[in-house]
Amino acid sequence: DAKTTQPPSMDCAEGRAANLPCNHSTISGNEYVYWYRQIHSQGPQYIIHGLKNNETNEMASLIITEDRKSSTLILPHATLRDTAVYYCIGGYFGNEKLTFGTGTRLTIIP
Amino acid sequence: DAGVTQSPTHLIKTRGQQVTLRCSPKSGHDTVSWYQQALGQGPQFIFQYYEEEERQRGNFPDRFSGHQYPNYSSELNVNALLLGDSALYLCASSCLTDRAQENIQYFGAGTRLSVL
Repeated sequence: DAKTTQPPSMDCAEGRAANLPCNHSTISGNEYVYWYRQIHSQGPQYIIHGLKNNETNEMASLIITEDRKSSTLILPHATLRDTAVYYCIGGYFGNEKLTFGTGTRLTIIP
Repeated sequence: DAGVTQSPTHLIKTRGQQVTLRCSPKSGHDTVSWYQQALGQGPQFIFQYYEEEERQRGNFPDRFSGHQYPNYSSELNVNALLLGDSALYLCASSCLTDRAQENIQYFGAGTRLSVL
């Protein structure tokens, strides 16, 4: 599984876009990039995933660089409920083992 | 449609005891994975069950064992508890046989185990 690197913490003002970076320079060609988040004392929550193309769903957008060595998760209009630890994970389909790092602690400031 | 449910929510045990944690997967899912999350750390993969067999295992001792039933529910058993086993234990379910679901795991709220 690809090793991912994320900043330990970030702040974002409420209502602004939160951009969370992730480096995954060792990712292989058929590894997906998954993003999960964990709100305090809850189980991790799936946000979005992608392979090569940029992806968008009702929660967020995922921008993957052309060389696939890094990606950015974008929460377009952050709310206080988005305060959580965000994990970027590389993984193969069918492997299913998720290797979590320490993630980015995102704090949304009123 | 219920999501992943885990029981109990909290548990207190003493060193040397044995514990069983339970997990019911999301409807339509056939695979259950277990993770251990120590305070301040990300979840660590313990093992995964599919078709009632252990499919993958992380770096955990044999004291950690599991089971999956025909209805896809699962149990995590830990024997000879140590103080270091105190953690949040998370269950995640997914559907291995449906490529459209692309390895998306859905997590339960976890069981917080305290070993005294």
